Amino acid sequence: AQTVTQSQPEMSVQEAETVTLSCTYDTSESNYYLFWYKQPPSRQMILVIRQEAYKQQNATENRFSVNFQKAAKSFSLKISDSQLGDTAMYFCAFMIPYGGSQGNLIFGKGTKLSVKP
Amino acid sequence: NAGVTQTPKFRVLKTGQSMTLLCAQDMNHEYMYWYRQDPGMGLRLIHYSVGEGTTAKGEVPDGYNVSRLKKQNFLLGLESAAPSQTSVYFCASSYSGVLKHGPYFGPGTRLTVT
Repeated sequence: AQTVTQSQPEMSVQEAETVTLSCTYDTSESNYYLFWYKQPPSRQMILVIRQEAYKQQNATENRFSVNFQKAAKSFSLKISDSQLGDTAMYFCAFMIPYGGSQGNLIFGKGTKLSVKP
Repeated sequence: NAGVTQTPKFRVLKTGQSMTLLCAQDMNHEYMYWYRQDPGMGLRLIHYSVGEGTTAKGEVPDGYNVSRLKKQNFLLGLESAAPSQTSVYFCASSYSGVLKHGPYFGPGTRLTVT
C-alpha cells in the first residue's frame, strides 16, 4: 500500500523569505504522479504544483518549486519570496494513474504554514 | 462552468438521522470521489466512481453509501449518522484521460453529528 508522510505538522516563515516543506512517500510502483495542494482558511483545495514520476526535471510554478528525488522517494516543496497569502495548510498527495484505484489521491496529514509579516 | 459543486455547505444532524450529500460537476468527468477530512488526518477516500452506474470502496467506506445514477452527480448517503462522522466532506472529479492534472475539488460540506 502507498503511504505519504509529512513530518512537519507546523512551520512558520517571515514574509519574503524561503521555506521548504518536506514530503516522503512509499510505493513499489514506478509510474505515478505527485501533487502539492494548498488549503487556505476558506477550505478550498487548490492545486499548487504537480510532478510526473517519469520526468527527471523538477516542476516549477512561479514562486513554487519542488525537489523530486525518486530514489529517495522524497518530494519537497519550496516556496520562494513567501507572501502573507501563502498562509495555509499544505498537503502532499500521491496518485497511481492506472489499475483499480486509478485517479485516487493518497494524502499526507498536512503541514500548517504561517507567513509572518 | 460551475466546476464541482456540493450541497449543502453545512449541516447538523442528530445521532441516528440520515442524510444525503450531493456532488455535481459540469465538466463531463468520468471519475468522481468522496473524501473526508478530519483534524490531523488529512483527506481520506470514502468511495469513488469511475463511471456512471459504477462505485467502489475507498479507505474508509463504513457507514456510507454512494450512488452514481447520472454521470454528473455523485451522492453520498449516511443512513444512521454517528458522532464519528462529524467531518468535512469533499467531493472531487477528474477526466480519465488527464489524471496527471489532479482532480478538481468542490468547496466542502461541514457536517456535525450531535
